[in-house]
Order: sequence, then C-alpha cells, then structure tokens
Amino acid sequence: EIVLTQSPGTLSLSPGERATLSCRASQSVSSSYLAWYQQKPGQAPRLLIYGASSRATGIPDRFSGSESGTDFTLTISRLEPEDFAVYYCQQYGGSPRTFGQGTKVEVK
Amino acid sequence: EVRLVESGGGLVQPGGSLRLSCAASGFTFSSYWMSWVRQAPGKGLEWVASIKQDGNEKSYVDSMKGRFTISRDNAKNSLYLQMNSLRAEDTAVYYCASSRGYYENWGQGTLVTVPS
Repeated sequence: EIVLTQSPGTLSLSPGERATLSCRASQSVSSSYLAWYQQKPGQAPRLLIYGASSRATGIPDRFSGSESGTDFTLTISRLEPEDFAVYYCQQYGGSPRTFGQGTKVEVK
Repeated sequence: EVRLVESGGGLVQPGGSLRLSCAASGFTFSSYWMSWVRQAPGKGLEWVASIKQDGNEKSYVDSMKGRFTISRDNAKNSLYLQMNSLRAEDTAVYYCASSRGYYENWGQGTLVTVPS
C-alpha cells in the first residue's frame, strides 16, 4: 500500500499569500497518478488536480500541481477567502487507492 | 449538470445491515467506474469500494471485504453499497463518486452511525 504523508498539518496564512502544500509518497506513484482535493466544512470534496498537474474543469489557474520523484506539491499562488479549507492528496497508481491525512489552510 | 445523490444512511445497531443508494444524473453513468469513499467524523477520506462500468469487476479495501458489497444498475443509473456486520468504526459519511482512478464528481454524502 502506498502511504501518502501530507505536510504541514496546518498552514496559517493571510489572503493574498502563497500556499505550498506537500504530499510525499512512500513509494513511486506510477504515471504521476496523483490527485488533489479541496474540502470545506460540511461539504463533499472537490477535485482540483489530477495527473499531478492537470487542473480539473472549472478550477482557477491560481491552483497548480507539480511533482519531483515521490514528492508532490499543490501551490495556491494567491489565497482567496474561499480557498481556506482542508486539502487532500490521493494516489491512484496503486491498489488500494489511498489518501493523505490532509492539510488545513486557515486564516492567520 | 452532474448530480450524485446518496440515500439510505441512518442509525444502525452493531452487527446490523444497511443498504446505501446513489442516484446519478447529468452524465453517462454506464460509462464510468463508480466508487464509495467514506469519512469518519473529524477524520480524513478512505476509499471503500469501486465497480467497473459493466459491474463485472469490483474491488474493496481489505478491512471491508466480505462485509460490504458494491453493485450497480445501469438501467436505473444507480449505485449501491450493501453493508453487513456493521461496527462502530464504520460510522462515517459515505460518498459516492464517479471514478477515473481519481474521483471526479461527488455526492453530498449520507451519514451512517453505528453506536459503540
């Protein structure tokens, strides 16, 4: 099973700042099969990024994903008020599909 | 507009059973793998089970094999999860989602509560 470790657990930032979220895989994720989701309280997760760096339909271009080996990064270039939420990474290159434990982006 | 609407959650005693349903609309249901993903209160996301477009291939997380059964009815654009021998640790919001490996569209979830 591929274990995904997200860091930091909580990120305290102000609107307009840049957010950098990390997701480290315990082993290689084949074909860059890594996705990112945003979840707000009381809501279902929303797909942001798939294939490590492809934005899902309707996702603003301030969200971007990248990878370097087993390290994956979600970057929010300038935080908008609606971006404060919990973010999860998920790998789909191996079975079972697994999620990271989440990073909460909160208002500083 | 893609819509996934779960139903069937509720309070069930340990050892009991529950059948969740997910009604899909706004996309070609029969063309997608479908999955169930759950989230325990205050916790992260956990994949539960997935089913292929024609229903002939299914996969489950190990801890739920033999207790949970995923199925679908493409004529009714519906996905199901039969849950047996429920335990307190199965308490969670259960989401259905269309799958391409990643989970593209999600329902709003249905809460299953199994008291300890």
